[in-house]
Amino acid sequence: NAGVMQNPRHLVRRRGQEARLRCSPVKGHSHVYWYRQLPEEGLKFMVYLQKENIIDESGMPKERFSAEFPKEGPSILRIQQVVRGDSAAYFCASSPAGGSGQPQHFGDGTRLSIL
Amino acid sequence: TQLLEQSPQFLSIQEGENLTVYCNSSSVFSSLQWYRQEPGEGPVLLVTVVTGGEVKKLKRLTFQFGDARKDSSLHITAAQPGDTGLYLCAGAQTSGSRLTFGEGTQLTVNP
Repeated sequence: NAGVMQNPRHLVRRRGQEARLRCSPVKGHSHVYWYRQLPEEGLKFMVYLQKENIIDESGMPKERFSAEFPKEGPSILRIQQVVRGDSAAYFCASSPAGGSGQPQHFGDGTRLSIL
Repeated sequence: TQLLEQSPQFLSIQEGENLTVYCNSSSVFSSLQWYRQEPGEGPVLLVTVVTGGEVKKLKRLTFQFGDARKDSSLHITAAQPGDTGLYLCAGAQTSGSRLTFGEGTQLTVNP
């Protein structure tokens, strides 16, 4: 399977814990995007990264959320001190290049549940 | 804030019928993508349209991008139960790569 791989598929955390979500893009893709889908809502952009750089983080909450895409390894979305409102499906997408005409291919998401 | 409105929100039809889903905005998008999402899975890309007035066909699916690049439509001919799913349109701004998604159209095709 050469598609976008996300893990874990399901993640349960208690309030106050940390959540780490991983995304391996399509082989050869150097652009990664994170989106969040809250229950009964549409997909909302969070952050756009290129290898080792954050390009656009305008959709990221100001506190507790961070993202990285290191030179080696997967992209990580990190949520510190989780709260019930963080419960959602988090999707990662990748594209071979940036720009508005580039198709974005999505993984199957990580479903985060906060107890 | 750029918004994309999809209509209808829900659509239930019989096998063999035709249908059209609409995606509208007051803003101009440089490109628009259509996705289909099944429960528990990620959106699967169906098509990308980039030119105003562009029409693309994918078997029984026809996608159109409005001349002003503010709206798009998806037409399905002779719908089949396998077409059941959540259809999402997503637009990209001229200056960037982030996608703005519509709320989706939940299509159910009954046998």
